[in-house]
Amino acid sequence: DTGVSQNPRHKITKRGQNVTFRCDPISEHNRLYWYRQTLGQGPEFLTYFQNEAQLEKSRLLSDRFSAERPKGSFSTLEIQRTEQGDSAMYLCASSFKNIYGYTFGSGTRLTVV
Amino acid sequence: AQSVTQLDSQVPVFEEAPVELRCNYSSSVSVYLFWYVQYPNQGLQLLLKYLSGSTLVKGINGFEAEFNKSQTSFHLRKPSVHISDTAEYFCAVINPLIQGAQKLVFGQGTRLTINP
Repeated sequence: DTGVSQNPRHKITKRGQNVTFRCDPISEHNRLYWYRQTLGQGPEFLTYFQNEAQLEKSRLLSDRFSAERPKGSFSTLEIQRTEQGDSAMYLCASSFKNIYGYTFGSGTRLTVV
Repeated sequence: AQSVTQLDSQVPVFEEAPVELRCNYSSSVSVYLFWYVQYPNQGLQLLLKYLSGSTLVKGINGFEAEFNKSQTSFHLRKPSVHISDTAEYFCAVINPLIQGAQKLVFGQGTRLTINP
């Protein structure tokens, strides 16, 4: 068990560029979650997967955001045409179904300049 | 919708003193409650959780929390803090009875600063 791994740790991008983040969950976990955390705030739910199926998406997830989890393993979160308001820490977490208390990764900090 | 209120945004405490971080949640039904800790530039680490049973829950690093259903509170306590406890602490809730509601709803966090 190597924990939840997120890459990259930091990403600086210019406004209007596309970015993609990767999350590798704990291998046995069938649920995977994405959260966004802005400075001084608690994490906010974006979306979650059970295996490869995306079961819920927050209204925060505009049409510029897309997430995938092919084959129910790793997941990617893509942001198209980034805006300064997208600057945040993007956190990934995983868990077993119906086991409460997720394991979080260290996050990807996105800065849009 | 579920909400969580952490009543103090910042709590400064001297080393070896006791501390209580306050959390209230809004719900008329049973919920599961959690406390997470976040060190600078890190993800969140689970301190403890209440799902059912004893209302006093013990967690890692000497922390404990007490579930109070009548007051809809889940305050976090530690009898003697250390410099290494300096971090951001988040209270969170899940309503397991809402179908598909697997997401944690977090409070805004309490920054605990331990002074020597």
